[in-house]
Amino acid sequence: GAVVSQHPSWVICKSGTSVKIECRSLDFQATTMFWYRQFPKQSLMLMATSNEGSKATYEQGVEKDKFLINHASLTLSTLTVTSAHPEDSSFYICSARRSGALATEAFFGQGTRLTVV
Amino acid sequence: QQQVKQSPQSLIVQKGGISIINCAYENTAFDYFPWYQQFPGKGPALLIAIRPDVSEKKEGRFTISFNKSAKQFSLHIMDSQPGDSATYFCAASMRKGAQKLVFGQGTRLTINP
Repeated sequence: GAVVSQHPSWVICKSGTSVKIECRSLDFQATTMFWYRQFPKQSLMLMATSNEGSKATYEQGVEKDKFLINHASLTLSTLTVTSAHPEDSSFYICSARRSGALATEAFFGQGTRLTVV
Repeated sequence: QQQVKQSPQSLIVQKGGISIINCAYENTAFDYFPWYQQFPGKGPALLIAIRPDVSEKKEGRFTISFNKSAKQFSLHIMDSQPGDSATYFCAASMRKGAQKLVFGQGTRLTINP
């Protein structure tokens, strides 16, 4: 199957700082990537849909100024958590679909554990 | 209408037994139903997926049963093994448009040796 690589796997940052998480599709082009947040023992919550070359689409209740998404190429999307606070500590996961009509399978990255202290 | 309801929340099965996880959806526009397996600290991995034009799909020990009229689908794991212990998520999406996945709540499966 296709590979989606997320970096870093874990990060600890101080409250008030910003953290950038990268999501790369290694062997395919992805017009659309998705960013999820997952709290312990809970399901994945979609935060936003990242579209190459255009603005991301955020889900209701997700602060677009706090979670900045950039999808500058067909293989890279980044999520920046700005002015992070302890309540932003979570497991962040990206996924990507192949470009092309009716492509369905979503490939997930390994996730990034963010801890804000 | 976007919800996917998954049950049970947790499941314990003896080695060699059959693990069954159920999901129900409401949006009849959904036409793609994948199951994901997630180990602690890892991202979800696709196990098997089905489209509504078939009632069953089997891949190795994993089978999806799909009931379009009842708007339900289930995952069966045959000959369950300790290595199958993980959290399983069902999901649904539309193949056209944004193709956003809607996830179920997850089932924590434990296979006892």
